[in-house]
Amino acid sequence: GNSVTQMEGPVTLSEEAFLTINCTYTATGYPSLFWYVQYPGEGLQLLLKATKADDKGSNKGFEATYRKETTSFHLEKGSVQVSDSAVYFCALNPLNSARQLTFGSGTQLTVLP
Amino acid sequence: SQTIHQWPATLVQPVGSPLSLECTVEGTSNPNLYWYRQAAGRGLQLLFYSVGIGQISSEVPQNLSASRPQDRQFILSSKKLLLSDSGFYLCAWSTRGEAFFGQGTRLTVV
Repeated sequence: GNSVTQMEGPVTLSEEAFLTINCTYTATGYPSLFWYVQYPGEGLQLLLKATKADDKGSNKGFEATYRKETTSFHLEKGSVQVSDSAVYFCALNPLNSARQLTFGSGTQLTVLP
Repeated sequence: SQTIHQWPATLVQPVGSPLSLECTVEGTSNPNLYWYRQAAGRGLQLLFYSVGIGQISSEVPQNLSASRPQDRQFILSSKKLLLSDSGFYLCAWSTRGEAFFGQGTRLTVV
C-alpha cells in the first residue's frame, strides 16, 4: 500500500537557521507529492507540490524536489523565521483512488528568536 | 474561487450526547469530501470519504458516522459521544490531487 514516512519531531531551530525535514514515500506508479503546513489551531494549508519526477515545488522560501530514485520529497528552507513555527505534513496522492491523500505523521517545527 | 466552511470552530459536549459537525464547499462541483481527526500531538487519521451524494466510505470502525445529503455538504455525526472522541476534526475536499481543508473543529468531550 501507499505510505509516507517523515522525520520525527519536534524540531527546534534558531531564526535564520537552515531547515530540512525528511520525507520518503512508498507508492505504486507516479504519485503527486505535497507539503502541507498547519499553524496552531488552524486547518492544513497547501505549502507546495510536485507532480512528476525531478519537479521542484517552491513557496514562501520553502523548496522540495521530487526524487523518484530515492522516493523522497525533503522540505528545505535556507533561513527560517519565527513565523515558520508550525506542523509540517508530507503527503502523496497516487491518483488511482478516490481515497487519495496519504499523510505522514507530521513534524512540529519551533523557531526561536 | 473555491471555499470550504466548517463549523463550529470549538465545541464542548458531555459524554453520551449527540454530535453534528457540518462542512460545506463552494465553487466546485462533485468534489471528493473527507473527514479527518487529529488527536493532540499526532498526525491525521482519515475517518470517512465520499465520492458523491449518499456515497460514504468508512476508514475506521467507531461510533461516528458521516452523511452527504447534498453534493457539497458533508456531515459528521454521533449518537453518543465518548471521551475518546475528543480531538480536532478537519473537513477537506479534493478534485484533482491536492486537498483543501477547513479551519477545523476542536471537540472536547467532558
